[in-house]
Amino acid sequence: EAGVTQFPSHSVIEKGQTVTLRCDPISGHDNLYWYRRVMGKEIKFLLHFVKESKQDESGMPNNRFLAERTGGTYSTLKVQPAELEDSGVYFCASSQGWTGRLIGVNTEAFFGQGTRLTVV
Amino acid sequence: GESVGLHLPTLSVQEGDNSIINCAYSNSASDYFIWYKQESGKGPQFIIDIRSNMDKRQGQRVTVLLNKTVKHLSLQIAATQPGDSAVYFCADNNDMRFGAGTRLTVKP
Repeated sequence: EAGVTQFPSHSVIEKGQTVTLRCDPISGHDNLYWYRRVMGKEIKFLLHFVKESKQDESGMPNNRFLAERTGGTYSTLKVQPAELEDSGVYFCASSQGWTGRLIGVNTEAFFGQGTRLTVV
Repeated sequence: GESVGLHLPTLSVQEGDNSIINCAYSNSASDYFIWYKQESGKGPQFIIDIRSNMDKRQGQRVTVLLNKTVKHLSLQIAATQPGDSAVYFCADNNDMRFGAGTRLTVKP
């Protein structure tokens, strides 16, 4: 069974350009999460999809970031326009159950390898 | 906001020794914690989890201890091996926030 896959693995763009990151979750996983790690600091939550709906987008830093999950399968995270401080590693994770307050559900989250974004 | 953080950024141990990685959290309502391991060039990988109704949980060569009184948890790795070298994160699964990570280096 394929794990969580992310594309591209590495992207280098100029400030002001647009970049779209893609995440393919494990088949059957309704829950999809985006995270990012900037400048070697802590991994921060960005948002959480349940199927195609945004369950929690409280971690999105600003309106330059747009996440979508049309059809509840793969998700994209677009950064437009990219700024230097957006450089970092963007991780996607998926889980069968809701890794939150539901107890008793399989809540283990599986992560992709990440996309390293460099804005120059 | 509330956060999860780690005491030490780096830890170096000899192969065969036991390793202890610590983590502090501040959200007293947190009831589920996960430890992740991240090897170079890879995404975080689930190691072990623990719920707040437990104070200890054991896996294969790993043990997680939870002290709710002082909001502290630790990951113990027995007989540390070179393959254990990685960055280890604790996460508060209620908020899905991760600490900065501790880099474990195992010396042969």
